[in-house]
Amino acid sequence: NAGVTQTPKFQVLKTGQSMTLQCAQDMNHNSMYWYRQDPGMGLRLIYYSASEGTTDKGEVPNGYNVSRLNKREFSLRLESAAPSQTSVYFCASSRTGGPGETQYFGPGTRLLVL
Amino acid sequence: SQQGEEDPQALSIQGGENATMNCSYKTSINNLQWYRQNSGRGLVHLILIRSNEREKHSGRLRVTLDTSKKSSSLLITASRAADTASYFCATDGYGGSQGNLIFGKGTKLSVKP
Repeated sequence: NAGVTQTPKFQVLKTGQSMTLQCAQDMNHNSMYWYRQDPGMGLRLIYYSASEGTTDKGEVPNGYNVSRLNKREFSLRLESAAPSQTSVYFCASSRTGGPGETQYFGPGTRLLVL
Repeated sequence: SQQGEEDPQALSIQGGENATMNCSYKTSINNLQWYRQNSGRGLVHLILIRSNEREKHSGRLRVTLDTSKKSSSLLITASRAADTASYFCATDGYGGSQGNLIFGKGTKLSVKP
């Protein structure tokens, strides 16, 4: 099993450009998450999907949109990138999204917005 | 906003020594987890401790939880160079999003061979 995969690994954008970060999991998990990690900070939740067909805002959703394409895939879209969105983005999944569950993380996407 | 705050922010020790990291949080919790992040990688789950537990062990890891002080500690015994990583505590979210995790800022551990 590959676990959680993310593409691309690195991306450089110019201000105003758009892009979609892709995430897929092969563990048959119901819940998926998008986080961003900035230097010296922990992870902050952008959006999550408790189950296929549902998405909800996390702590820092502004400037992002998400799509839960199917049970396996959860994408994050930046419609008009800004330098403040320079960060490392992590996707994660968990079995049911219940309290106390382990989250499984992908390797991350490093995004630089110029 | 961040729930957990790890202390210290950075820790440098010699191989073979014990490493202790602390986490304080603000609101009542049901569970607290610790994760490790190697440089340039995603987070990996280490251990979970529930609010009705005071101590838990897993290999060279020992976690304690003091709900009266809203704090937890992670002890790594006999540290190795391979333990060099950042360590994060994470607590359950609130209300209907209890499956969500709220992460602290992490402790960066460096173990010298």
